[in-house]
Amino acid sequence: DVKVTQSSRYLVKRTGEKVFLECVQDMDHENMFWYRQDPGLGLRLIYFSYDVKMKEKGDIPEGYSVSREKKERFSLILESASTNQTSMYLCASSASGTTEGAEAFFGQGTRLTVV
Amino acid sequence: AQSVTQLDSQVPVFEEAPVELRCNYSSSVSVYLFWYVQYPNQGLQLLLKYLSGSTLVKGINGFEAEFNKSQTSFHLRKPSVHISDTAEYFCAVSDRPRKLVFGTGTRLLVSP
Repeated sequence: DVKVTQSSRYLVKRTGEKVFLECVQDMDHENMFWYRQDPGLGLRLIYFSYDVKMKEKGDIPEGYSVSREKKERFSLILESASTNQTSMYLCASSASGTTEGAEAFFGQGTRLTVV
Repeated sequence: AQSVTQLDSQVPVFEEAPVELRCNYSSSVSVYLFWYVQYPNQGLQLLLKYLSGSTLVKGINGFEAEFNKSQTSFHLRKPSVHISDTAEYFCAVSDRPRKLVFGTGTRLLVSP
């Protein structure tokens, strides 16, 4: 069964802390994504990666960075957490290819609160 | 750039009634279309997808959607809803494998 696992369901961090959100997938997918979900705004793409060590900015990359050292793992980093980064963060993965690559599989989400 | 519009932020409905959740997208070029469902405190789960072929697509849990290219719509329907269908539903569009664009979501509230 397809699985995308996010390391934490809930996190509380202080303003200014460096925060790491981890995501692992077991499907050998090439593409991995980080989304942010806020009420009334839907899902917005922060960053995505289509290969190890490759990354591209999404629609809202400011204040975030990512790391992909291994194919199965994609980390989202908040360099200096701020209260406006309080949100639900969703990781997803998909295979490459025209048909198979179109569907994304999601993790359970990490609800981050910055105080 | 692609965009997706879900006009209804919330749809209240009684159990066993039919429901339609509306979705319109911005472009008439070839696209892939999806509906995802999110139950409380969960990630997103794929309900159904349109890649090509028949414009009527059947998904899980009795949902179906119809692709209408001329109206650039992909509305989701279910003939009879259950309490357990209470969730948030997201429409998404992709014109290339790596880029999914989501709508703002529609919260379906099913009451007895």
